[in-house]
Amino acid sequence: GQQLNQSPQSMFIQEGEDVSMNCTSSSIFNTWLWYKQDPGEGPVLLIALYKAGELTSNGRLTAQFGITRKDSFLNISASIPSDVGIYFCAGQLKEYGNKLVFGAGTILRVKS
Amino acid sequence: KAGVTQTPRYLIKTRGQQVTLSCSPISGHRSVSWYQQTPGQGLQFLFEYFSETQRNKGNFPGRFSGRQFSNSRSEMNVSTLELGDSALYLCASSLGAVTGELFFGEGSRLTVL
Repeated sequence: GQQLNQSPQSMFIQEGEDVSMNCTSSSIFNTWLWYKQDPGEGPVLLIALYKAGELTSNGRLTAQFGITRKDSFLNISASIPSDVGIYFCAGQLKEYGNKLVFGAGTILRVKS
Repeated sequence: KAGVTQTPRYLIKTRGQQVTLSCSPISGHRSVSWYQQTPGQGLQFLFEYFSETQRNKGNFPGRFSGRQFSNSRSEMNVSTLELGDSALYLCASSLGAVTGELFFGEGSRLTVL
């Protein structure tokens, strides 16, 4: 079945730092999405990308849909403490409706 | 606008029992999906319903079933529970049929003893 490889698995951030994470797949997707999950909550949609090559921003977040349709990255600029959480990439194929394939997640922690 | 509501939030069952989880989607959303989240397997798609019809199903055994009612509310059922069914079960609703833009509930955490 389809699998997404998300990296890094975890990272430590210091306030003000820029953060980068990415997802790759062996197969193409029509849509790439990025979600964030806080403890005790369900994932929340951050950014949705619909076209190959598309670059989209949402505040301090920027994400891109890879040209090959097999990858995507998410950047967080000037991180703040509330950025801590688990970030998931997800891919969707239109013929499968709202069925999403999720990456394993990137855990963002605060450097002490 | 109320979000996706899942009940119960927490439950404990024993092996062999069955469980029913409920989900009320955001008003106006006709698509409801269910996902299982575990530390080992991550987020895995269970099934999606749209206008009371199951549109897609993930790779789970037949013990996992679901349904959607005319008011878009959905239930999922797991019969003959196994220890490995312990997980967070997440329901998500969507306005469109193919957007992928899902709004998740807080989940129902099932523990099987």
